[in-house]
Amino acid sequence: SQKIEQNSEALNIQEGKTATLTCNYTNYSPAYLQWYRQDPGRGPVFLLLIRENEKEKRKERLKVTFDTTLKQSLFHITASQPADSATYLCVFSGGYQKVTFGTGTKLQVIP
Amino acid sequence: DGGITQSPKYLFRKEGQNVTLSCEQNLNHDAMYWYRQDPGQGLRLIYYSQIVNDFQKGDIAEGYSVSREKKESFPLTVTSAQKNPTAFYLCASSTRDRGPYEQYFGPGTRLTVT
Repeated sequence: SQKIEQNSEALNIQEGKTATLTCNYTNYSPAYLQWYRQDPGRGPVFLLLIRENEKEKRKERLKVTFDTTLKQSLFHITASQPADSATYLCVFSGGYQKVTFGTGTKLQVIP
Repeated sequence: DGGITQSPKYLFRKEGQNVTLSCEQNLNHDAMYWYRQDPGQGLRLIYYSQIVNDFQKGDIAEGYSVSREKKESFPLTVTSAQKNPTAFYLCASSTRDRGPYEQYFGPGTRLTVT
């Protein structure tokens, strides 16, 4: 079965630096790979989606890359702010029955 | 404001009782989903519905039931057959042409069964 691996350890970075989160997957490449943000006790919020044939996607301070050879996606937040502190979920998507959520990486931006 | 509402935010039940979690959306989305989230695990799909009066089992449907009589509503019943019902339950929706992508999530219901 498909597995998604996100670093379970929290990532602490200094305000203003670039945060880079990693998502690795096994087996086949997804048609889409998504990233969501989740704050404690709340539902996830959609951030970005990248397709299998795309290498990079940007939205404001966010950037996602997708390397099907390495079976990896990287999620970058540039000029990070304390308000960016949250858990970020990587989601493997290949259709309704093939949506797999990672366990998430907790990001802490230190002022 | 458009969005998804789930009620209640916290729910407590005794073992052996069925309980229904509410999910309503006014986004005019065709597709709706139910997930559960447990500590240290990713969200897992319980049921989904692509259109009114139709729904499909997800990965962990055993012990749960749903209905989709209206486009706006997708209630989830946690039955006494569900062995580990205590969890954080999340409802989501998306446009039909987007499939299970770019989902909008509700605030969640935390269910505790003792």
